Amino acid sequence: KAGVTQTPRYLIKTRGQQVTLSCSPISGHRSVSWYQQTPGQGLQFLFEYFSETQRNKGNFPGRFSGRQFSNSRSEMNVSTLELGDSALYLCASSLGTSGRANRKYFGPGTRLTVT
Amino acid sequence: GQSLEQPSEVTAVEGAIVQINCTYQTSGFYGLSWYQQHDGGAPTFLSYNALDGLEETGRFSSFLSRSDSYGYLLLQELQMKDSASYFCAVRGNQAGTALIFGKGTTLSVSS
Repeated sequence: KAGVTQTPRYLIKTRGQQVTLSCSPISGHRSVSWYQQTPGQGLQFLFEYFSETQRNKGNFPGRFSGRQFSNSRSEMNVSTLELGDSALYLCASSLGTSGRANRKYFGPGTRLTVT
Repeated sequence: GQSLEQPSEVTAVEGAIVQINCTYQTSGFYGLSWYQQHDGGAPTFLSYNALDGLEETGRFSSFLSRSDSYGYLLLQELQMKDSASYFCAVRGNQAGTALIFGKGTTLSVSS
């Protein structure tokens, strides 16, 4: 079974631009979560989607948005990029959202650099 | 709100045993998970504890005490390849069904 894939793997943008990141979960997984990882801050939760519905949202500004499609693929968008948005963005899929079904399978991440 | 505390760094030598502690605060509790992340890699699942006690998976074990809001990851017979960051994570009520991670513990294993 193919793992979680994320595209693009690397991205360089300038301040003020917007960016869209894509995530394809493991086949059969209906839950997709997004995390931002920066040095020393661990994995900070952005959003969680289940069957096309946003279930939860982390403490990030409205510039961060996302969606999930009927095939469970997900995208996240960041508008009006700031230098502080430079980070590794990780997508994770899981079968469900409770118990052992909530076991996350992570993609390799998209490394975003904002200049 | 929801929070997790774990040490930022731990060092050990090959063959040793190391314990990484995690204390959490959350309203509602649905289990404690551990993930490993090597430099430049994606986090990978290690273990999950929903009930009190010890879960063993090869050289790794994980323990949970719900009354103390505390858990730990125990790594035995340490190898150089165990050098990585280790994250504890919980699902609680404040963030709905989202899995919230601690800031991670960097384990350095030397020969």
